[in-house]
Amino acid sequence: NAGVTQTPKFRVLKTGQSMTLLCAQDMNHEYMYWYRQDPGMGLRLIHYSVGEGTTAKGEVPDGYNVSRLKKQNFLLGLESAAPSQTSVYFCASSFMSNQPQHFGDGTRLSIL
Amino acid sequence: TQLLEQSPQFLSIQEGENLTVYCNSSSVFSSLQWYRQEPGEGPVLLVTVVTGGEVKKLKRLTFQFGDARKDSSLHITAAQPGDTGLYLCAGAVRGAQKLVFGQGTRLTINP
Repeated sequence: NAGVTQTPKFRVLKTGQSMTLLCAQDMNHEYMYWYRQDPGMGLRLIHYSVGEGTTAKGEVPDGYNVSRLKKQNFLLGLESAAPSQTSVYFCASSFMSNQPQHFGDGTRLSIL
Repeated sequence: TQLLEQSPQFLSIQEGENLTVYCNSSSVFSSLQWYRQEPGEGPVLLVTVVTGGEVKKLKRLTFQFGDARKDSSLHITAAQPGDTGLYLCAGAVRGAQKLVFGQGTRLTINP
């Protein structure tokens, strides 16, 4: 039972570098979400998708881009990483918007 | 903008004590979910409450949804070290495409 899988689990980048975080779900969920979690801040929504080919901005979208070319995958991109983007990133999916979300185990990203 | 305020933000108690965590809002939610997150892992759903006044029990954990569906509480009886973690509440707003998360309550149960 894979559920939601995030890769990579850890990554260290230098300021200005780019990278893509991958989220894959095997539950045929329509909705997918990217959050960042910082100490004392809870979960903040970056971008989300309500179905294949769709994306929408969340609470803190600046500096990030996303794509949902396949229903099971949701990619989060950082074009030019900044130290302020050091965080733990979580992907989640759900069948419908008001249904419980299933989370991956997170990607710990450090920007030096 | 809907907001969910959780209190307390931090709680450290001894094993065997009881505790209550609160999740409050001025908005009405169609349902409310509680998650627990352990270090190095993503949040995991504990329970969903849907009806105003609803009470659900999960072993030593009791969840209640307010009559007006604006608030919820989580009560733990005889807390154990295994209850340690970050507890998050999340509300669903009818017609919205995403959940509203509280900022979390970090609970530590000391042996």
